[in-house]
Amino acid sequence: DGGITQSPKYLFRKEGQNVTLSCEQNLNHDAMYWYRQDPGQGLRLIYYSQIVNDFQKGDIAEGYSVSREKKESFPLTVTSAQKNPTAFYLCASKQGEWNTEAFFGQGTRLTVV
Amino acid sequence: SQKIEQNSEALNIQEGKTATLTCNYTNYSPAYLQWYRQDPGRGPVFLLLIRENEKEKRKERLKVTFDTTLKQSLFHITASQPADSATYLCALDISGDMRFGAGTRLTVKP
Repeated sequence: DGGITQSPKYLFRKEGQNVTLSCEQNLNHDAMYWYRQDPGQGLRLIYYSQIVNDFQKGDIAEGYSVSREKKESFPLTVTSAQKNPTAFYLCASKQGEWNTEAFFGQGTRLTVV
Repeated sequence: SQKIEQNSEALNIQEGKTATLTCNYTNYSPAYLQWYRQDPGRGPVFLLLIRENEKEKRKERLKVTFDTTLKQSLFHITASQPADSATYLCALDISGDMRFGAGTRLTVKP
């Protein structure tokens, strides 16, 4: 059954700790994306990757890091440098061509206390 | 700077009426535009894609228009139902950099 999986669904961390959010897809998609969504707000792009071992910063990359060592996987690390990390994080993937739809994971709600 | 604006944060309509949502963009020249639906606590789900050379596209009760001169897309839901209540997002993909508007929260009242 093809799809994109984010884990965990809920995550709690203490302030000052780094935390890594998982995103895996078995759709054979080239491009993968990470977005942040705050309550009542739209999606803001953190990082995206169009090919293995390459990624680009979005609008709010500060305090986050990513890697793309495998086509299927695009983990996001929220570092202690991120000033306000509590948010809903969404991962998406799509084929590399322009006119294709994006598929989203179920999201990870991160709470930093 | 580049912007995608959905100029209604919230829209309330009566069941059976047509909902019309607007997406405007500036400093983009997109080849196509997409619309997604998002339910609370879930990821967005793709609804429709319209290309720059298409004026209108339909899927069941959904209709999307795309005016590249006005830099605007309109999204219509006809014969709306309470189950259509959700947030609707428009999206532009510029060379793989995929950006979303803030969304319009639609509530359809019985």
